[in-house]
Amino acid sequence: QVQLVQSGAEVKKPGSSVKVSCKASGGTFSSYAMNWVRQAPGQGLEWMGGIIPIFGTANYAQKFQGRVTITTDESTSTAYMDLSSLRSEDTAVYYCARGGGGEYNYGYDAFDIWGQGTMVTVSS
Amino acid sequence: AIQLTQSPSSLSASVGDRVTITCRASQGISSALAWYQQKPGKAPKLLIYDASSLESGVPSRFSGSGSGTEFTLTISNLQPEDFATYYCQQFNSYPLTFGGGTKVEIK
Repeated sequence: QVQLVQSGAEVKKPGSSVKVSCKASGGTFSSYAMNWVRQAPGQGLEWMGGIIPIFGTANYAQKFQGRVTITTDESTSTAYMDLSSLRSEDTAVYYCARGGGGEYNYGYDAFDIWGQGTMVTVSS
Repeated sequence: AIQLTQSPSSLSASVGDRVTITCRASQGISSALAWYQQKPGKAPKLLIYDASSLESGVPSRFSGSGSGTEFTLTISNLQPEDFATYYCQQFNSYPLTFGGGTKVEIK
């Protein structure tokens, strides 16, 4: 059974960057889209972007273009989400989530497996 | 971007009730819609994909229907463990988007 395990909570200063990792175990990594979704306290879910490791090209929500970079390391089955120029509004739980349809869905997928979430707090 | 509007935003129901949640898309998305359940402090859990396909391991009291712009999630015979927040998500086009959520509370 595939599991996604994320890195631990982070506290960051405004203007800095954060890099959250998501390690997959128990299944094929490269052929499935890996997405990042965030949830601000008390708010709903917001898709930030996604990548299919075997293709290597990421898609990003326009809101985060220029501030977010999603990458993968196939050798360790790990995905990363790097968010820069942090502001207080970026305080949220960040989730990685696998697109369940495989590489030929090109990321147009429901998210069948989720990481446990990583709390990122941005505060001076 | 395709906007998804869920209604109601919250509802109160009793154990054993039948509950229906609606998700409307701002433009047609065929059947590219999923439903998730989220409990406090937990990651979302996939319930339904492709508008009406039940994810493996999800109880059959959950069902989804619809296509195009209007979709419904129905929970028949509501159980205590079903009190949670439910989200729809479209995966027809980028950016992938979620509805605002529906909180199902105990009456």
